[in-house]
Amino acid sequence: AQRVTQPEKLLSVFKGAPVELKCNYSYSGSPELFWYVQYSRQRLQLLLRHISRESIKGFTADLNKGETSFHLKKPFAQEEDSAMYYCALSSTLGRLYFGRGTQLTVWP
Amino acid sequence: DGGITQSPKYLFRKEGQNVTLSCEQNLNHDAMYWYRQDPGQGLRLIYYSQIVNDFQKGDIAEGYSVSREKKESFPLTVTSAQKNPTAFYLCASSPGTGMTYEQYFGPGTRLTVT
Repeated sequence: AQRVTQPEKLLSVFKGAPVELKCNYSYSGSPELFWYVQYSRQRLQLLLRHISRESIKGFTADLNKGETSFHLKKPFAQEEDSAMYYCALSSTLGRLYFGRGTQLTVWP
Repeated sequence: DGGITQSPKYLFRKEGQNVTLSCEQNLNHDAMYWYRQDPGQGLRLIYYSQIVNDFQKGDIAEGYSVSREKKESFPLTVTSAQKNPTAFYLCASSPGTGMTYEQYFGPGTRLTVT
């Protein structure tokens, strides 16, 4: 069965520190994975997707099929990165399975 | 901004009443989705529709109903059978139903049932 696990409900770092938000998944096929972000008082929106292999706002995520992980990383966190982050897995039907989310707080 | 609107932003109902949440999109997207967002539980899929006049149950469809009579509209009815209806409801749409499509989200409706 498809499942996405985000083990950290809350994560706090200081500005300028590296940050890593963990995501593990279970899926029988070849997965497509996404990170969505919800800033305060804004809509949930796509941050990045595995297939694009791009860096958005300094964030990157690498799919590790051996460890079934898709961790989100940024070398130097900024205060504006404070938000709720959701990892999501897409099925062949196009529906998304979301993790429970990680609330990131970046302190000045 | 996103092309997906949800109304109203806040909704209050008495227990035992059905209530319908509106979701409209002008993005010409084929697929639409309803999620429920509860603290600590992430987003859970209620219903989704890949095409007009067709929809499928998600993971928590009990107590909810939907219709998709028009491409741009996907209203969600929360019935009195839903045991815990107070929640934040999010609507989303995507251009298609392939695995790589991004979903675009509306601003959400916060429903409070007392």
